[in-house]
Amino acid sequence: DQQVKQNSPSLSVQEGRISILNCDYTNSMFDYFLWYKKYPAEGPTFLISISSIKDKNEDGRFTVFLNKSAKHLSLHIVPSQPGDSAVYFCAASGQGGATNKLIFGTGTLLAVQP
Amino acid sequence: IAGITQAPTSQILAAGRRMTLRCTQDMRHNAMYWYRQDLGLGLRLIHYSNTAGTTGKGEVPDGYSVSRANTDDFPLTLASAVPSQTSVYFCASKTLPGAHNEQFFGPGTRLTVL
Repeated sequence: DQQVKQNSPSLSVQEGRISILNCDYTNSMFDYFLWYKKYPAEGPTFLISISSIKDKNEDGRFTVFLNKSAKHLSLHIVPSQPGDSAVYFCAASGQGGATNKLIFGTGTLLAVQP
Repeated sequence: IAGITQAPTSQILAAGRRMTLRCTQDMRHNAMYWYRQDLGLGLRLIHYSNTAGTTGKGEVPDGYSVSRANTDDFPLTLASAVPSQTSVYFCASKTLPGAHNEQFFGPGTRLTVL
């Protein structure tokens, strides 16, 4: 049972446009969410995170939105750049002792066309 | 060294052979993790360790074992490799206790079991 889902395996956008990557979760105990970026032949790197007490967190070109009632989060990249082309994973962690572990989605491959 | 290192970078292994993947971090992080990444399945937790001397099972622990003799090293052993263990393996670490600070990942080991 996939607790964190990324239903779009891939996304293609034009340079300068907005990229929107989506993530859904099923476990209402999750209270912290992260996005990781992964280039080929490298390990994932942390991008941005959001706590469940917020509905938005922004860092430069990257903004994450959280809709708790819908159990949905999204990552917006504006403007998109060719260097943003990578696989993006969303991840979630729970409360209490479960904060140590992350549950990852299946990833979305973003291709930004020049 | 800085961050997390993994060895080997890649390996081709005959089924039935024993293999140990190495992971070393120099950040003095308490917690360490092993994941496997498979197409369409994202990153799945194999085993983890919250502190030296303790380990725990993740989502997909069968066929794998770990040890945590000290803070820096967290080797993953396949006692008798099978083709379904062909995957890319990532080691990660994070500081504990911590609100929800992110995990840092190593560069990965690509393992092929024939």
